[in-house]
Amino acid sequence: EIVLTQSPATLSLSPGERATLSCRASQSVSSYLAWYQQKPGQVPRLLIYDASNRATGIPARFSGSGSGTDFTLTISSLEPEDFAVYFCQQRSNWPLTFGGGTKVEIK
Amino acid sequence: EVQLVESGGGLVQPGGSLRLSCAASGFTFSSYWMHWVRQAPGKGLVWVSTINSDGSTTTYADSVKGRFTISRDNAENTLYVQLNSLRVEDTAVYYCTRGVDIAMTAFDYWGQGTQVAVSS
Repeated sequence: EIVLTQSPATLSLSPGERATLSCRASQSVSSYLAWYQQKPGQVPRLLIYDASNRATGIPARFSGSGSGTDFTLTISSLEPEDFAVYFCQQRSNWPLTFGGGTKVEIK
Repeated sequence: EVQLVESGGGLVQPGGSLRLSCAASGFTFSSYWMHWVRQAPGKGLVWVSTINSDGSTTTYADSVKGRFTISRDNAENTLYVQLNSLRVEDTAVYYCTRGVDIAMTAFDYWGQGTQVAVSS
């Protein structure tokens, strides 16, 4: 099973700042990595798939990069609605697995 | 508009059974692989099971293999999962999701989820 490790666990930032979230895989997943956002009491929303492709309707301030084992989700300038938990997920091997999440909170 | 609406959750004793349903609309259901993902209270996301577009191929997480059965009715645009031999650790919100692509994939649409609680 591919283990995805997200860091940091919590990121404390102010609106307007840049957020950089990391996801590291225990073995190569090529570019088969997705990112999701989940707000309290809400359903996860797909942000990025295949490392760098924005899903439909996702603002340009969200970008993804990386390949192999190291991936990054960047939010260029945090909006108030961006404070949430972010999960990464790999689709390279069964079982499909998710990272433990990074909480982006208001500083 | 794509919609996925789950139902069938509830409180059940350990060893019990439930059947979850997911009614799909707004897209050609029979063309998509579908998946169940769960989330225990305050925890992360865990993939549970996948079924291909015509229902002939299914895949399960080891933790549910032999206890859960995924199925679909393309005529009724409905996805199912039969949960048997339930354990306390199966307590979670169960989400019905649509795959972006075939087989191993990301999930582009999610239902609102249905709560399953396993407790004596």
